[in-house]
Amino acid sequence: DTEVTQTPKHLVMGMTNKKSLKCEQHMGHRAMYWYKQKAKKPPELMFVYSYEKLSINESVPSRFSPECPNSSLLNLHLHALQPEDSALYLCASSQDNSLSGNTIYFGEGSWLTVV
Amino acid sequence: AQKVTQAQTEISVVEKEDVTLDCVYETRDTTYYLFWYKQPPSGELVFLIRRNSFDEQNEISGRYSWNFQKSTSSFNFTITASQVVDSAVYFCALSETIPSGNTPLVFGKGTRLSVIA
Repeated sequence: DTEVTQTPKHLVMGMTNKKSLKCEQHMGHRAMYWYKQKAKKPPELMFVYSYEKLSINESVPSRFSPECPNSSLLNLHLHALQPEDSALYLCASSQDNSLSGNTIYFGEGSWLTVV
Repeated sequence: AQKVTQAQTEISVVEKEDVTLDCVYETRDTTYYLFWYKQPPSGELVFLIRRNSFDEQNEISGRYSWNFQKSTSSFNFTITASQVVDSAVYFCALSETIPSGNTPLVFGKGTRLSVIA
């Protein structure tokens, strides 16, 4: 079983809704990630938090707002999304963000549908 | 620029057959890391193996084995005696110590494996 847990597993939201995806890990990792994955594509990096600070934002639209309340938690706040934002959102963590080949462990993902 | 190529988009095999998933990578870094992940229909990306560029020993884990060859820049993955539960999308990925961009992991496009009973 994964040690990165994500909630909710499935989310359907309207374009005017505000919702949040949540992620938690208890492996003592200091780097956490959000990835977006469309059907039949590999995951695409959205954000990286290192030691609770945002270190990488891959030019993600502001309708996606990440938050890292502490070293174990990572949220992704969603507001005014578009139907094309429907995808699998994967949270992940690694020991740190030294970009030196640390293994990145992924959660089960949150399937998001925007209607 | 770093790049990972998984030329096989989809593979179908009959249960108990052996199957090899190919992965070819490009990097200018001398120290780098290669990974394989499995993604079943449920969505989770399951880590399978991590290999650094200085360790060319092949590895075997149960029915899984990996063949790393720096001379051909390949890191192929073989499943022996495949089972229906092996049906998934498999991603090969590369991580450099001095990445050319922000991306901690560069993924291949994935190979969808279907094992038929």
